[in-house]
Amino acid sequence: SYEMTQTLSVSVALGQTARITCGGDKIGSKNVHWYQQKPGQAPLLVIYKDSNRPSGIPERFSGSNSGNTATLTISRAQAGDEADYYCQVWDSSTDVIFGGGTKLTVL
Amino acid sequence: QVHLVQSGAEVRKPGASVRVSCESSGYTFTDYFIHWVRQAPGQGLEWMGWLNPDSGVTNYDQKFQGKVTVTRDTSISTAYMDLNSLRSDDTAVYYCARALPAAGTPLDYWGRGTLVTVSS
Repeated sequence: SYEMTQTLSVSVALGQTARITCGGDKIGSKNVHWYQQKPGQAPLLVIYKDSNRPSGIPERFSGSNSGNTATLTISRAQAGDEADYYCQVWDSSTDVIFGGGTKLTVL
Repeated sequence: QVHLVQSGAEVRKPGASVRVSCESSGYTFTDYFIHWVRQAPGQGLEWMGWLNPDSGVTNYDQKFQGKVTVTRDTSISTAYMDLNSLRSDDTAVYYCARALPAAGTPLDYWGRGTLVTVSS
């Protein structure tokens, strides 16, 4: 079955740019979605189909996907961006697959 | 406004069963699949399966086949997830979420989750 790899944790200084990656074989050929999950809350969709932002998500959140890596970029990181971030794709054999998640810390 | 409202926390003994409900509002219930995702304490998200509320057709991850049954009552826009033969490692928060009925679409709205605790 398809597998995706996320770095366990990423740290970013307040106001700087955080990049969270999701690796997978030819992931660039798939639609990648990103979810933000804060402690005690349900996941929130922040990027869909690689680079699209749902209504209400700040422009500071952006995404890209090419080759074997999809990337979620958070510009001008704020304390409120501290959360776990999960990538997700559809796979023909397993339907929905989530990455293991990345914990973002804003210093 | 779209809402998915889940039933409250449950505590069960090993070997028992549990039902979690997910009531949808703010959209046409039969236009979107309902997915179930669980999250064990301190762990990541784990997809369990989906329900097509229009047809009642379901698809489960292989890990959960025989373990979970998802049904719906379209008259009250509610999906149900039944989990049987509970074990301690079924202790988790269970989420429902909706997605358009096409491969590659995101889970765009989620319920707040239902904590199921399995303990003797």
